[in-house]
Amino acid sequence: SYELSQPVSVSVALGETAKISCGGNRIGSKNVHWIQHKPGQAPVLVLYKDFNRPSGIPDRFSGSNSGNTAILTISRAQAGDEADYFCQVWDSSSYVVLGGGTKLTV
Amino acid sequence: QVQLVQSGPELRKPGASVKISCTASGYTFSSQTINWMRRVPGQGLEWMGWINIHDAKATYAQGFTGRFVFSLDTSNNTTYLHITGLKADDSGVYYCARGLNPADLWGQGTLITVSS
Repeated sequence: SYELSQPVSVSVALGETAKISCGGNRIGSKNVHWIQHKPGQAPVLVLYKDFNRPSGIPDRFSGSNSGNTAILTISRAQAGDEADYFCQVWDSSSYVVLGGGTKLTV
Repeated sequence: QVQLVQSGPELRKPGASVKISCTASGYTFSSQTINWMRRVPGQGLEWMGWINIHDAKATYAQGFTGRFVFSLDTSNNTTYLHITGLKADDSGVYYCARGLNPADLWGQGTLITVSS
């Protein structure tokens, strides 16, 4: 089965840039999506297909995907960005695959 | 408004069953599949499986076979998650989500608490 690995936690100073990685075998050949989940709220898709932002997501959120690592980058981090972030891919054998999640502390 | 609205919190005793709902509005219900996911406190999101709106065929992730059943009622744009033989470690927040690649719209979640 396909697996994704994420760091358990990432810390960033207010106004600085956070990078959250998502590792997987040849993940660069897959579409990677990023989900933000704040306590008590519905999860929100913040990036899809590596770097595309859904309507309403600020351009401070960006992404890249190459080789065995995808990266979610959050620029000018704000207190409101504190959340758990999950990467997600579609795999033909495992179907929906989620990373273990990364807790972002600002 | 495009949204998925889930039913309210549930409290059950071990061994009981529960059925929660997820109602879609603001888009063509049959256009995309509905996933179910779970978040247990202190853990990550788990994908439970999906149901195909066209033919009601359900696909279940490993670990969610047998006691978990997805169903739907297309007349009111609603999908259901039925869990039988509840265990304490089934406690958590259950989410429905639209689409597979990606899951682009999520319900607000339904808290299921299993406790004696």
